[in-house]
Amino acid sequence: AQSVTQPDIHITVSEGASLELRCNYSYGATPYLFWYVQSPGQGLQLLLKYFSGDTLVQGIKGFEAEFKRSQSSFNLRKPSVHWSDAAEYFCAVGPLNNDMRFGAGTRLTVKP
Amino acid sequence: GAGVSQTPSNKVTEKGKYVELRCDPISGHTALYWYRQSLGQGPEFLIYFQGTGAADDSGLPNDRFFAVRPEGSVSTLKIQRTERGDSAVYLCASSPQGAPGGELFFGEGSRLTVL
Repeated sequence: AQSVTQPDIHITVSEGASLELRCNYSYGATPYLFWYVQSPGQGLQLLLKYFSGDTLVQGIKGFEAEFKRSQSSFNLRKPSVHWSDAAEYFCAVGPLNNDMRFGAGTRLTVKP
Repeated sequence: GAGVSQTPSNKVTEKGKYVELRCDPISGHTALYWYRQSLGQGPEFLIYFQGTGAADDSGLPNDRFFAVRPEGSVSTLKIQRTERGDSAVYLCASSPQGAPGGELFFGEGSRLTVL
């Protein structure tokens, strides 16, 4: 069965510092991979997605993620974090049957 | 509307009562999903509709939970004999094409509290 693991429950970074949020998945074939962001009082918003092709994908708000098949990972990165990036981030895997599975999330705190 | 609309935004009920949560998807989206998000957890899949039919209801936790989408647009999630463990945020999402890998557009959720 497919599953998603986000090892870090909470991460704190200083504004302007770089960010990497980890995501590992378990799935029998090449999955469809997603990163969503959830800000307080708002719905989940798609940051980026990977289906096939180039393993480095660019998303909105300056985020990118790299698919590494050998490590079953899809880590999210941003070179310079802004205070407005403070939110909860969810990695998700979406196989063919639409049963999209989400990780438990990583809460990002940005220090001034 | 421009996005997925969910009502009510908050619902407080007593144990044993019946609850209905409504989702109005983005116009034209054929796929509709219900998820449940407990505190500190990621969204948990409940059910997926393609048009009027439930294409996958494997995530419904038990027979107290039921969902309908009679005209292929608005959906209602129904919970009978509510229990305290049902307390969570119930998220609805819609997608223009469904599988495979269609982007989901989420509503802000309905927070259910069972006392």
